[in-house]
Amino acid sequence: AQKITQTQPGMFVQEKEAVTLDCTYDTSDQSYGLFWYKQPSSGEMIFLIYQGSYDEQNATEGRYSLNFQKARKSANLVISASQLGDSAMYFCAMREPGNQFYFGTGTSLTVIP
Amino acid sequence: NAGVTQTPKFRILKIGQSMTLQCAQDMNHNYMYWYRQDPGMGLKLIYYSVGAGITDKGEVPNGYNVSRSTTEDFPLRLELAAPSQTSVYFCASSYYRGELFFGEGSRLTVL
Repeated sequence: AQKITQTQPGMFVQEKEAVTLDCTYDTSDQSYGLFWYKQPSSGEMIFLIYQGSYDEQNATEGRYSLNFQKARKSANLVISASQLGDSAMYFCAMREPGNQFYFGTGTSLTVIP
Repeated sequence: NAGVTQTPKFRILKIGQSMTLQCAQDMNHNYMYWYRQDPGMGLKLIYYSVGAGITDKGEVPNGYNVSRSTTEDFPLRLELAAPSQTSVYFCASSYYRGELFFGEGSRLTVL
């Protein structure tokens, strides 16, 4: 079974609008971490945001926030006030207790001027 | 600020050749990883290491080998290259319960 599922292969958003990228995860562990990474066309992997399974508040980092719904096993990334530079692939990842990380298949985001 | 350094960045191999992808990190991270990224498939874990002398298989280990003789280095060996190993390879490291730090990636083509 897939540990991380990203069901949106591609998304479009108008510049300055907000967009939500979906991520669901599957684990029976109580302690885990959820991450989002950005991969621009240049290919590097950029860490965006982290949410621990015991964190009660949703994580925020500047224009990025993580909508964590533990009971639904979802960890959606919200990007507010989209910019042209946000156009990239976005990957959701989960860290299990053994410190292994598993990635979803990614969502390609295009910001339209 | 070197972080995670991978070499080479690009390589073309013939079927049946062997090669080693080098990875080094200077952050004193115990954990190191090798991933491959195929189009539309996300990143798949090949091998990982929790410290010097300790390695373990990930999701897609077949056709690869690793070693971890020092904290800093985690080379990935491809034996008998096959077209199915054409991919972009990422090395990454982390401290326990931290985020992954990635190298810039190595694009390998097997013809």
